[in-house]
Amino acid sequence: NAGVTQTPKFRILKIGQSMTLQCAQDMNHNYMYWYRQDPGMGLKLIYYSVGAGITDKGEVPNGYNVSRSTTEDFPLRLELAAPSQTSVYFCASIPNRDRGPGAEQFFGPGTRLTVL
Amino acid sequence: AQKVTQAQTEISVVEKEDVTLDCVYETRDTTYYLFWYKQPPSGELVFLIRRNSFDEQNEISGRYSWNFQKSTSSFNFTITASQVVDSAVYFCALRETSGSRLTFGEGTQLTVNP
Repeated sequence: NAGVTQTPKFRILKIGQSMTLQCAQDMNHNYMYWYRQDPGMGLKLIYYSVGAGITDKGEVPNGYNVSRSTTEDFPLRLELAAPSQTSVYFCASIPNRDRGPGAEQFFGPGTRLTVL
Repeated sequence: AQKVTQAQTEISVVEKEDVTLDCVYETRDTTYYLFWYKQPPSGELVFLIRRNSFDEQNEISGRYSWNFQKSTSSFNFTITASQVVDSAVYFCALRETSGSRLTFGEGTQLTVNP
């Protein structure tokens, strides 16, 4: 298994541009999450999904959209990039067999996004 | 609402010293889970431990140990005989049984100097 993969690894955007951060997992996990990590800070939840066709907002959803058309993919969309969205973005998933509150989250390697 | 506080922003020690990273949490749930993650300079997040609120036994794994005290809402992490490779940011996190969200503390940057 490749685990949780994210593309791209790095990206620079201009203000007002849009882009999609890709996240995929090949472990058949139902639960998937998007976090952002600002410099020197902890991770904050943007959106999450408990299965295909179901998404919900986290702590900081403004400026982002998500979709979950398949179990494997959970893309994060930025429509009008702003400097405040400069951050490292992490995608994560939880194994179905352990999807209770004690489940360990498997994190992707992150996407470093800079908006200038 | 759930909250995790890591009051130590940065800690610097010399190799072989013991070091304790503090974590204090707030939750209204009576059942919940606590986690520690390590983020080395390469940036990935590495799971270290999970502890549920019913289990207050301390845990030791090699040079790592965790002290869970429900009475003080703390889940502290100790590294014994620290090594340069332990240099990283360490995050404490909490998930309530009533929700799907994992709430992270702000992290503690640990630097172990040779």
